[in-house]
Amino acid sequence: DAGVTQSPTHLIKTRGQQVTLRCSPKSGHDTVSWYQQALGQGPQFIFQYYEEEERQRGNFPDRFSGHQFPNYSSELNVNALLLGDSALYLCASSPFWGEDTQYFGPGTRLTVL
Amino acid sequence: AQSVTQLDSQVPVFEEAPVELRCNYSSSVSVYLFWYVQYPNQGLQLLLKYLSGSTLVKGINGFEAEFNKSQTSFHLRKPSVHISDTAEYFCAVRRVGNQFYFGTGTSLTVIP
Repeated sequence: DAGVTQSPTHLIKTRGQQVTLRCSPKSGHDTVSWYQQALGQGPQFIFQYYEEEERQRGNFPDRFSGHQFPNYSSELNVNALLLGDSALYLCASSPFWGEDTQYFGPGTRLTVL
Repeated sequence: AQSVTQLDSQVPVFEEAPVELRCNYSSSVSVYLFWYVQYPNQGLQLLLKYLSGSTLVKGINGFEAEFNKSQTSFHLRKPSVHISDTAEYFCAVRRVGNQFYFGTGTSLTVIP
């Protein structure tokens, strides 16, 4: 049983560009959350998707947007990249909305130059 | 708002010695508390969680934690650490609606 997978593993972009990160949840999981983990910091909640809708959102600007597909996979889009967006982006899935346990993927390392 | 404070950013400990990683939370409502471990270049793995019931929670890899409501703490302990326990440890609190708040992490280094 595959766990949470994310792609790509690493990504380098320049300021002002746009980026899309992808996540496939663990089999049978229908809820996906995204986190930003800056170097030396704990993960910060960006948003959560369930039934193809954004259900919860953390304190992130509108440049951060997402999408969930019918197969429960998800994308995180970041527009107008800033140097401060450089971080490890983690995806986590849960078997259903409201479930307390989240399973994390290995993350995508984004570097903005 | 709920927040989590991990009091030690780095904890060095000798192999086979006991360790305690400290975590305090701030909240006026019921909380769900978690400890996660992150190995280099990997995602987070759940060690243990407290939802309700017994205040002593046992997790994987020999770790345990004690929920102390009066001190708003949820410290992680292991009686004897191994080299393989070297990793970053995160305490987290779950807010209603499944939004998690993480501490800044404690880097545990086990010295041979």
